[in-house]
Amino acid sequence: GQQVMQIPQYQHVQEGEDFTTYCNSSTTLSNIQWYKQRPGGHPVFLIQLVKSGEVKKQKRLTFQFGEAKKNSSLHITATQTTDVGTYFCAGTNRDDKIIFGKGTRLHILP
Amino acid sequence: EAGVTQSPTHLIKTRGQQATLRCSPISGHTSVYWYQQALGLGLQFLLWYDEGEERNRGNFPPRFSGRQFPNYSSELNVNALELEDSALYLCASSFVGGARGEQFFGPGTRLTVL
Repeated sequence: GQQVMQIPQYQHVQEGEDFTTYCNSSTTLSNIQWYKQRPGGHPVFLIQLVKSGEVKKQKRLTFQFGEAKKNSSLHITATQTTDVGTYFCAGTNRDDKIIFGKGTRLHILP
Repeated sequence: EAGVTQSPTHLIKTRGQQATLRCSPISGHTSVYWYQQALGLGLQFLLWYDEGEERNRGNFPPRFSGRQFPNYSSELNVNALELEDSALYLCASSFVGGARGEQFFGPGTRLTVL
């Protein structure tokens, strides 16, 4: 079946370093959403990308949607301890089904 | 404004039993989604309800079912429980129908099957 692969599974970074997580779909997506889940918490919506090649920024976070609408990335500049958590991408396929990546767990080393 | 609420917080059942999980969406939201979050598997899409009807379902067997009530609250039923059904079940609601709007998640129900 259709998959959304997300890498890396885990990432340890020193506080102040940058962090990037990538999502790749086997088929074209109509949109992609990004969520953050803090340890013990529930997913919280970050952003939605719809257009091919779209780039959106939220303070230190930069989100990209690929030209073919099959891949996406989330980049965090100068990580802080508050960035700790698991970042999920969620793609919507042409059957209107939502497929979540398995997430990237970010650990920040002080 | 109250967020998405789910009950119960925890549920312990034995294999073969039935489980019922409940979700109340944010006021004004008409779409409700159910997800299963098992360890190491991320979020798996289960069901989507909108305006009282099932609009879509993920790749789960028919023993996973549910419904949406006139007040837009929703119920997830899992029949003939199996050990591998143990997971966190998350409900989310959105204002825009379909998989195109921001989803607001509830705290989840932790189901343990013994």
